[in-house]
Amino acid sequence: EDQVTQSPEALRLQEGESSSLNCSYTVSGLRGLFWYRQDPGKGPEFLFTLYSAGEEKEKERLKATLTKKESFLHITAPKPEDSATYLCAVPDSGNTPLVFGKGTRLSVIA
Amino acid sequence: GAVVSQHPSWVICKSGTSVKIECRSLDFQATTMFWYRQFPKQSLMLMATSNEGSKATYEQGVEKDKFLINHASLTLSTLTVTSAHPEDSSFYICSARFGTPVSEQYFGPGTRLTVT
Repeated sequence: EDQVTQSPEALRLQEGESSSLNCSYTVSGLRGLFWYRQDPGKGPEFLFTLYSAGEEKEKERLKATLTKKESFLHITAPKPEDSATYLCAVPDSGNTPLVFGKGTRLSVIA
Repeated sequence: GAVVSQHPSWVICKSGTSVKIECRSLDFQATTMFWYRQFPKQSLMLMATSNEGSKATYEQGVEKDKFLINHASLTLSTLTVTSAHPEDSSFYICSARFGTPVSEQYFGPGTRLTVT
């Protein structure tokens, strides 16, 4: 069973058209939820960590929020340079490496 | 801060040969390093976890004799793909973490391996 599910799989937006990406998780006792951005042919770039329900973090046009069951990445007035795959991840048990969702491929059209 | 480098960024090798990929944390000491592989349009799949001076812990289905991991210091980990075959062609990405077990992982830029 997937621990992290992201939706939609792909999203196409016009420049300036705000939207949200979803990440739902099934792990119990969440010890952090992580958002990354990945450009084609590159490693993921860290964006945010959220630890508790109700927490919010912002960076430029991005805002991440967390509830007890899911996280949202809100993109306000996106620009073409925001086009990328956005990944969310939660720690696994044991040595707690991050387990990643399949990502949302975002395309912002000028 | 929190910069991770990988070398080489891409490599082409012949089937049956071995190739080594280096991963370095440039501005911090990494208590734990991770190796992932990623196929086109798929998410990252964890291959192994390593702590400095200890043997790596491999994920189920990953051949430890084929993918040799050495975490010789707090800033360097290497992945050697032995007797490479075309099906080993993939994008390999390392990641490093410092601090508590639940903290951010910082990723290298990745290495594109093509086996001909």
